Amino acid sequence: AQKITQTQPGMFVQEKEAVTLDCTYDTSDPSYGLFWYKQPSSGEMIFLIYQGSYDQQNATEGRYSLNFQKARKSANLVISASQLGDSAMYFCAMREENRGNQFYFGTGTSLTVIP
Amino acid sequence: DSGVTQTPKHLITATGQRVTLRCSPRSGDLSVYWYQQSLDQGLQFLIQYYNGEERAKGNILERFSAQQFPDLHSELNLSSLELGDSALYFCASSRTSGGAFGNEQFFGPGTRLTVL
Repeated sequence: AQKITQTQPGMFVQEKEAVTLDCTYDTSDPSYGLFWYKQPSSGEMIFLIYQGSYDQQNATEGRYSLNFQKARKSANLVISASQLGDSAMYFCAMREENRGNQFYFGTGTSLTVIP
Repeated sequence: DSGVTQTPKHLITATGQRVTLRCSPRSGDLSVYWYQQSLDQGLQFLIQYYNGEERAKGNILERFSAQQFPDLHSELNLSSLELGDSALYFCASSRTSGGAFGNEQFFGPGTRLTVL
């Protein structure tokens, strides 16, 4: 079974609108972390946001928030007020903290912001 | 600029050869992570070091090895190179190994390896 599943290969959003990028995960480790990264066409990798499995509140970082639904094993990224510069690949990842701290990545979602 | 440096930016070599990729973390960061991004395998975590010691191991091949030196820079050694090793190799650093400061990672620009 896939550890991280991103079912949206490509997404489009109108500038200034909000968009949700889906991510589901599979683990039996009670202690894990969830990550989102952004990779623009220039190739660099940018860390966006982190959510720990024991965190009571959803993580937020500026326009990014993580909609963490533990029972459903989902960790969707919400980008509010989309900007043209948000056009990029977005990767969801998980780290199982009791199983060697290895990271697992999804296949990514390509987001295009339309002016 | 994340503050993480990687050298070289590009590397072209032949099958069977050995190369070394170098990474200098941000000032004050103790953890270094290595990742591989290729077209067929996607993004893969290779290995993490924290203050000179191996902390976590991912899908790193036996032909690959890494270390973190006392000055905290890290090297990733790739040997007996194959065509399939062609990829973008990222290094990232974080302040600690866990917790809030350990989970915010800063990435270098990557080293593009081409094996011919």
